[in-house]
Amino acid sequence: AQKVTQAQTEISVVEKEDVTLDCVYETRDTTYYLFWYKQPPSGELVFLIRRNSFDEQNEISGRYSWNFQKSTSSFNFTITASQVVDSAVYFCALSPSIIQGAQKLVFGQGTRLTINP
Amino acid sequence: DAGITQSPRHKVTETGTPVTLRCHQTENHRYMYWYRQDPGHGLRLIHYSYGVKDTDKGEVSDGYSVSRSKTEDFLLTLESATSSQTSVYFCAIRRQILSYGYTFGSGTRLTVV
Repeated sequence: AQKVTQAQTEISVVEKEDVTLDCVYETRDTTYYLFWYKQPPSGELVFLIRRNSFDEQNEISGRYSWNFQKSTSSFNFTITASQVVDSAVYFCALSPSIIQGAQKLVFGQGTRLTINP
Repeated sequence: DAGITQSPRHKVTETGTPVTLRCHQTENHRYMYWYRQDPGHGLRLIHYSYGVKDTDKGEVSDGYSVSRSKTEDFLLTLESATSSQTSVYFCAIRRQILSYGYTFGSGTRLTVV
C-alpha cells in the first residue's frame, strides 16, 4: 500500500523567512512519481512539480526548491524568502509510474502555510 | 488546461436526498477520478474510471456510485446524502506518458443539512 505523510499540519512564518514543508512517503513500487500541489484560498489545486523516482536531482524553480532523498523516502519542499502570496495549503502526493492502468494518486494530509506580513 | 468543468460549484441539500455531481472534460482523456477533501485527511479517492462504462472503487466509496456513459462525462451520485458526505469534491483527469500528471477541476462544495 502507498502512503504519504505530511507531519506538519500548520506552519506560520513571517514574510521573507525560509520555510520547509516535509513529505515522507511509503511505497513498495520500485518506480513511482512524486508531486506537490498548492491550494490557495480560492480552492483550486495548482500543480507545482512532478518528480520521477529515477531522478534524485534536486530542483529549483525561482524561490521554490525540492529535495528528493530516496534513502529516507522524503520529498521536501522549501520556499526561500517567503511572500504573503505563498499562503496556501500544500499537498504532497504519490503515484505508481507504470503508465498503463488507472494509477491512483495518493495524497498526504496537507500542510497549511501562513505567511504573515 | 485540461478543460475540466465541475458542476455545480456549490450545493446545499437535505439529508436523504439524492445528489449528482458532474465532471466534464474536453480533451478525451481515458482516466478520470473523483476525490473528496476533508480537513486532516487531504484528498481521498472515491471512485475512478478507466474508460466508458469502466469504473472501480477507491478508498472511500461507501455511499457513492459513479457512471461514465461518454468519455467526456464522469458522474458522481450520492444515492441518499448524509451529513458525513459534506465535503469538497474534486474531479481529476490523468494525462498520459510524456506529460504524465493529474489535472483537477475547480471543485464542488457540497453541504448536507
